[in-house]
Amino acid sequence: KAGVTQTPRYLIKTRGQQVTLSCSPISGHRSVSWYQQTPGQGLQFLFEYFSETQRNKGNFPGRFSGRQFSNSRSEMNVSTLELGDSALYLCASSLDSGGYYEQYFGPGTRLTVT
Amino acid sequence: AQSVTQLDSHVSVSEGTPVLLRCNYSSSYSPSLFWYVQHPNKGLQLLLKYTSAATLVKGINGFEAEFKKSETSFHLTKPSAHMSDAAEYFCVRMDSSYKLIFGSGTRLLVRP
Repeated sequence: KAGVTQTPRYLIKTRGQQVTLSCSPISGHRSVSWYQQTPGQGLQFLFEYFSETQRNKGNFPGRFSGRQFSNSRSEMNVSTLELGDSALYLCASSLDSGGYYEQYFGPGTRLTVT
Repeated sequence: AQSVTQLDSHVSVSEGTPVLLRCNYSSSYSPSLFWYVQHPNKGLQLLLKYTSAATLVKGINGFEAEFKKSETSFHLTKPSAHMSDAAEYFCVRMDSSYKLIFGSGTRLLVRP
């Protein structure tokens, strides 16, 4: 079974631009969560989507948004990029929402904002 | 606030010696706790999880962790380190809304 895939793997953007990252979950998984990893703040939860609905949200500004499609693939968008948005963005999928299902992580998208 | 604290940012051991990575949690109830490992340029992999069944949890690759409520600890151990164990390890708790709260990470170095 293929794992979680994230595209692109690396991205360089300029401050003020916007960016869209994509995540394809493991086949059959309906929940997708997004995390930001930075050296200063560590790993932080962004949001979770389940059945095309946002189920949970972390403490990030409204510039960070996401969506999930009917095939469970998810995208996250960051508008008006800031230097501090440079990070590794990880997506994780699980069979279902809630705490009983293991989350499987993708390799991440490394975003550099210049 | 509910959180996890990893007590060491770096741990260095010799190959073949025991590994101990320390984690304390804060919670008003027995939480769901996890240990994840991250190898360079790779995603996170679940090593083991505690969900209030047995206090001693066995994971993959010979790792185990013991939940001690009296000490609010969930330390990760392995009897004998391999070179392939060199990675960053995260202690994680699940909050009441099922979000994962990550510790700051411990980088494990394994000397030959």
